[in-house]
Amino acid sequence: ELKVEQNPLFLSMQEGKNYTIYCNYSTTSDRLYWYRQDPGKSLESLFVLLSNGAVKQEGRLMASLDTKARLSTLHITAAVHDLSATYFCAVGIAAGNKLTFGGGTRVLVKP
Amino acid sequence: DSGVTQTPKHLITATGQRVTLRCSPRSGDLSVYWYQQSLDQGLQFLIQYYNGEERAKGNILERFSAQQFPDLHSELNLSSLELGDSALYFCASSARLGGSEAFFGQGTRLTVV
Repeated sequence: ELKVEQNPLFLSMQEGKNYTIYCNYSTTSDRLYWYRQDPGKSLESLFVLLSNGAVKQEGRLMASLDTKARLSTLHITAAVHDLSATYFCAVGIAAGNKLTFGGGTRVLVKP
Repeated sequence: DSGVTQTPKHLITATGQRVTLRCSPRSGDLSVYWYQQSLDQGLQFLIQYYNGEERAKGNILERFSAQQFPDLHSELNLSSLELGDSALYFCASSARLGGSEAFFGQGTRLTVV
């Protein structure tokens, strides 16, 4: 059974500093997703990572994938308050594409 | 706006009742997924349909069932509701059976009292 673990579960950030969220998964997969969720809202797709060594960047967020280590990271550069949200990684298996989600990382950026 | 529409947005019902949640996928998407998000279980995959046929099942209770209609909209039926069924239920859709990005609807918040 595929297991996806995120850490930390909670991250209190200071504005302007850099932080990393880690996502480990237990079995081989060919795609990894990062989503953002604001309280009570839907899941917003941030990144889709499809191959070993893939790196994608959007604004202050950068995601990378190491399929050999079964690890993805979401790096936040110079955190700002607007980035406060819960971030989820999810792993997909090509056959069917159902997603297995990590437990989420709640991010709170303080001034 | 992801293009995936879910109704209703909120639902409050009593234990033992039955409810139906509705999802309209993005235009052209053939695959529909249902997920449940609760505080204790996190985000869990329930079931997937592709072009009207069930393709994958996750941790879906026997009291729950779903279907996808010829116009590709999907319904999730929850019966004999229990307090523990209170959760946010998301529908997602993707273009293909596998390998394409899934887009999530706004969710239906179900409260069982």
